[in-house]
Amino acid sequence: GAGVSQSPSNKVTEKGKDVELRCDPISGHTALYWYRQSLGQGLEFLIYFQGNSAPDKSGLPSDRFSAERTGGSVSTLTIQRTQQEDSAVYLCASSLEWASGGNTQYFGPGTRLTVL
Amino acid sequence: GESVGLHLPTLSVQEGDNSIINCAYSNSASDYFIWYKQESGKGPQFIIDIRSNMDKRQGQRVTVLLNKTVKHLSLQIAATQPGDSAVYFCADLNSGGYQKVTFGTGTKLQVIP
Repeated sequence: GAGVSQSPSNKVTEKGKDVELRCDPISGHTALYWYRQSLGQGLEFLIYFQGNSAPDKSGLPSDRFSAERTGGSVSTLTIQRTQQEDSAVYLCASSLEWASGGNTQYFGPGTRLTVL
Repeated sequence: GESVGLHLPTLSVQEGDNSIINCAYSNSASDYFIWYKQESGKGPQFIIDIRSNMDKRQGQRVTVLLNKTVKHLSLQIAATQPGDSAVYFCADLNSGGYQKVTFGTGTKLQVIP
């Protein structure tokens, strides 16, 4: 694919349910990031994957949040026991590893999560 | 960028005028800076970048200025068009470390036809 894709584009769930958000990065990009964006606000860093290194989970807001990246490509962000304050747009981005000279992050369209 | 979670500041500009969007960053070790444009309902899109060994870089209708002394970054858009209406984010990082990027709060640009 030409860019980063995310699914679903919209997700409405009930409080207490678990949700999974998917990100397909650009082929060949070794770095993958998840961000959260609340309405009218900036981007909040959640987690970062780089190749086979241990991910940087320092931005995850609670232990209800987790993420995996299988085979160095597709990533899934899981939110367990969702709360209303989890409602936001979840953005995924990928980039080349810095050693290759590419720091530019390419963003997907995001998944809009609404927790009722 | 200083991600402080405030409501977005808004800049209103008449179509055809030049726009200047400002950003402050806090990390003195940052040496790579990026401007992103985010249109409604879409993810941020790369506009232009600049490295710390430069103080100015020009693209198509856009210019980024970097003042490392006061840790300030600006994006200038020439002859602003309705299609420029969006939220603009600056981002900074230290290329010597890993690629955690700090995003500014963002500025909403409204172009008045």
